[in-house]
Amino acid sequence: SQQGEEDPQALSIQEGENATMNCSYKTSINNLQWYRQNSGRGLVHLILIRSNEREKHSGRLRVTLDTSKKSSSLLITASRAADTASYFCATDGANYQLIWGAGTKLIIKP
Amino acid sequence: DAGVIQSPRHEVTEMGQEVTLRCKPISGHDYLFWYRQTMMRGLELLIYFNNNVPIDDSGMPEDRFSAKMPNASFSTLKIQPSEPRDSAVYFCASSLGLNIQYFGAGTRLSVL
Repeated sequence: SQQGEEDPQALSIQEGENATMNCSYKTSINNLQWYRQNSGRGLVHLILIRSNEREKHSGRLRVTLDTSKKSSSLLITASRAADTASYFCATDGANYQLIWGAGTKLIIKP
Repeated sequence: DAGVIQSPRHEVTEMGQEVTLRCKPISGHDYLFWYRQTMMRGLELLIYFNNNVPIDDSGMPEDRFSAKMPNASFSTLKIQPSEPRDSAVYFCASSLGLNIQYFGAGTRLSVL
């Protein structure tokens, strides 16, 4: 089942601009993760935020978590062409497996 | 470490043939996951193992699919007989505990 739902489904911005993607989920979580998938490649872990955390940074990435709204956002600042990829959120579900969203396809235009 | 290694990277086969996908997880990882990714259905968990034991195979679409993990360094996903609707990218991932998952590059399967 798909718990995380990313929004928007696709996003196209100019290089240098900031990109924001959102993820909503339905049930209580212990943590939420964001992954990136470049075309034709496997998913790569970006950042994990725990349910008792509200914000986390990693380089140009900033993730926020609002457990009251059951939502998270991923902000990529000063985007680069290499950021072109699909971005997925994943939450921990029953039996401790990850529940994946459908992803946001991000295109950075030069 | 070389990361999660999957083989083959691409597989083209005809309907009715047996297909075997292979995965070598990261050494020391105790969880192994098999996923299928399609445009229509996104990323689906098929089955996962803990210490070589299958824990949840509820995502396996039907009896044509089977997975094994004979030891900590090797797993297979078999489809027999294959059908065109099995065409997808199949990913293997491993993790230490139930946290960050490390994915292989995937096997792109085309069933004609």
